[in-house]
Amino acid sequence: QSALTQAASVSGSPGQSITISCTGTNTDVGGYALVSWYQQYPGKAPKLIIYEVTKRPSGVSRRFSGSKSGNTASLTISGLQAEDEADYYCSTYAGTGVVFGGGTTLTVL
Amino acid sequence: QVQLVESGGGLVQPGTSLRLSCEASLFTFSDHAMHWVRQAPGKGLEWLAIISYDGRNSYIAESVQGRFTVSRDNSKNTLYLQMNSLRLDDTAVYYCARDPHSGGWWYFDLWGRGTLVTVSS
Repeated sequence: QSALTQAASVSGSPGQSITISCTGTNTDVGGYALVSWYQQYPGKAPKLIIYEVTKRPSGVSRRFSGSKSGNTASLTISGLQAEDEADYYCSTYAGTGVVFGGGTTLTVL
Repeated sequence: QVQLVESGGGLVQPGTSLRLSCEASLFTFSDHAMHWVRQAPGKGLEWLAIISYDGRNSYIAESVQGRFTVSRDNSKNTLYLQMNSLRLDDTAVYYCARDPHSGGWWYFDLWGRGTLVTVSS
């Protein structure tokens, strides 16, 4: 399985919205409704923020939302805050296990 | 609190073996499939293995198949990763992660803090 494709970095100003894309194929992102997104601060473990494409775990801010169209999934963060500065990873089931995206570093300007 | 705590990492030489452990606390460990995920220094996440709630079914990523095995002891609330023939590129932080479902829904709703494995001569 090849890694899913994410932009290496994205930035935005406080209060703005940003979208991180995650592109795969019809055998992974496009084949299952199992895309999840993780937020990771430096030196810390990842944290689940979106699962099953659009669902938010209890306690995760409504500012985080997920979607999917075809072979591309997206994470949108609205009303950017300084605390959102972190790495973000998408992942999905790919038939023979889990595949992750390469990760996107979000910088809040 | 509900948590996963990994242990067993350290500095090892190439070609040797290591067994990692992951102890679960304050949730019903036997209700969940479990995973191992690793992250090389400065790199992204790589999924390694899944084991079903009862340990009867497991699957190892192709990248480590034949060298790594996963097991669990539900009486001890502990997950294991046996790593053999370690290579330099196995150097990484190894995380255990909980699947929300017994058979595997293939995402991770609880992560441990990780244990660092360094393979070096």
